[in-house]
Amino acid sequence: NAGVTQTPKFQVLKTGQSMTLQCAQDMNHNSMYWYRQDPGMGLRLIYYSASEGTTDKGEVPNGYNVSRLNKREFSLRLESAAPSQTSVYFCASSPDRGVGETQYFGPGTRLLVL
Amino acid sequence: AQSVTQPDIHITVSEGASLELRCNYSYGATPYLFWYVQSPGQGLQLLLKYFSGDTLVQGIKGFEAEFKRSQSSFNLRKPSVHWSDAAEYFCAVDRGKFYFGSGTKLNVKP
Repeated sequence: NAGVTQTPKFQVLKTGQSMTLQCAQDMNHNSMYWYRQDPGMGLRLIYYSASEGTTDKGEVPNGYNVSRLNKREFSLRLESAAPSQTSVYFCASSPDRGVGETQYFGPGTRLLVL
Repeated sequence: AQSVTQPDIHITVSEGASLELRCNYSYGATPYLFWYVQSPGQGLQLLLKYFSGDTLVQGIKGFEAEFKRSQSSFNLRKPSVHWSDAAEYFCAVDRGKFYFGSGTKLNVKP
């Protein structure tokens, strides 16, 4: 099992460019999440999808959109990248959205916006 | 309001020495608490979690954590650190959404 996979691993963008970060999980989990990790700030939730067909905002959703394409895939889109979006992005999944569910993380996408 | 505080940004210990990483949380109800480890260039891996019951929780790689309600703490411990334990450690609380601490980077001296 691959678990949670993310593509690309690394990306450089210019300000104003758009891109989509891809995430897929093969654990048949219902819930998926996108986080960003910035130095000294831990991980912050951007968006999540409790189940296929639903998405909700997290702590820092501005400047991002998401799509839960199917049960396996959850993508994060930056429509017009800004330097403030330079970060490491992690996708995670959990069996369900219930409190206390363990989240399983992908290896991350390192994004640099110039 | 900050839900999880990890007061130590960096810690250096010698290989074979004991380790304690601190975590304090702010949450009125019984918390769901987690410790994750992140090796360089990797995603986060679950070390252990606490929901209820026994306040001393055993995890993988020889780690344990103790929940102390009176101190609002969930400190991570390991009796003897190995060089491969060098990583960043994150405490998290599940309040319906996960809130992570800012992390503690562990350096292990030979």
